[in-house]
Amino acid sequence: DSGVTQTPKHLITATGQRVTLRCSPRSGDLSVYWYQQSLDQGLQFLIQYYNGEERAKGNILERFSAQQFPDLHSELNLSSLELGDSALYFCASSGGTGGELFFGEGSRLTVL
Amino acid sequence: EDQVTQSPEALRLQEGESSSLNCSYTVSGLRGLFWYRQDPGKGPEFLFTLYSAGEEKEKERLKATLTKKESFLHITAPKPEDSATYLCAVQSGGSYIPTFGRGTSLIVHP
Repeated sequence: DSGVTQTPKHLITATGQRVTLRCSPRSGDLSVYWYQQSLDQGLQFLIQYYNGEERAKGNILERFSAQQFPDLHSELNLSSLELGDSALYFCASSGGTGGELFFGEGSRLTVL
Repeated sequence: EDQVTQSPEALRLQEGESSSLNCSYTVSGLRGLFWYRQDPGKGPEFLFTLYSAGEEKEKERLKATLTKKESFLHITAPKPEDSATYLCAVQSGGSYIPTFGRGTSLIVHP
């Protein structure tokens, strides 16, 4: 158990819809990272927050947004969903800027 | 832009048959190279961090090594429970965000 909690584990929705994925980092970790994993792309970095502030942005689509709340949990919002958004979405946390990330079990999104 | 290439994409071994996984990287100033293990349907699990060429780390049947251009994950006398996808990631001086390779899927047959 990594200590990182993600909900929901599975989500099935239709094209054009909006979903919110939630992540609670390990106790004490200030950094939260979101990654997308698909079969053809591997793990792709989306966005990072540190203590409530956005720190880095990767290949995150404009239809996607995220935030980190004062209690350090984070949410990833995906809107106007397309079939190609079907993937595993992982949240990871770390204590600082190290590369040792602790991943949650992921949220599997299926867009039909 | 940081780049990580892992080979082979897939590897099948018999129990007890030792082998190595490769991770080649291109970064601007390596801060760290990381190995993770990922089981199907699970999140990656951190294994090792290597910081400089010549460094080695060991954990049970796994040994990670680092040169200036690549890292190897050596698996000695593997067991079926070592079956997983092994991911390599690098962190460069220009970015604190780890860049991941696509992984090597390892299957160990009893």
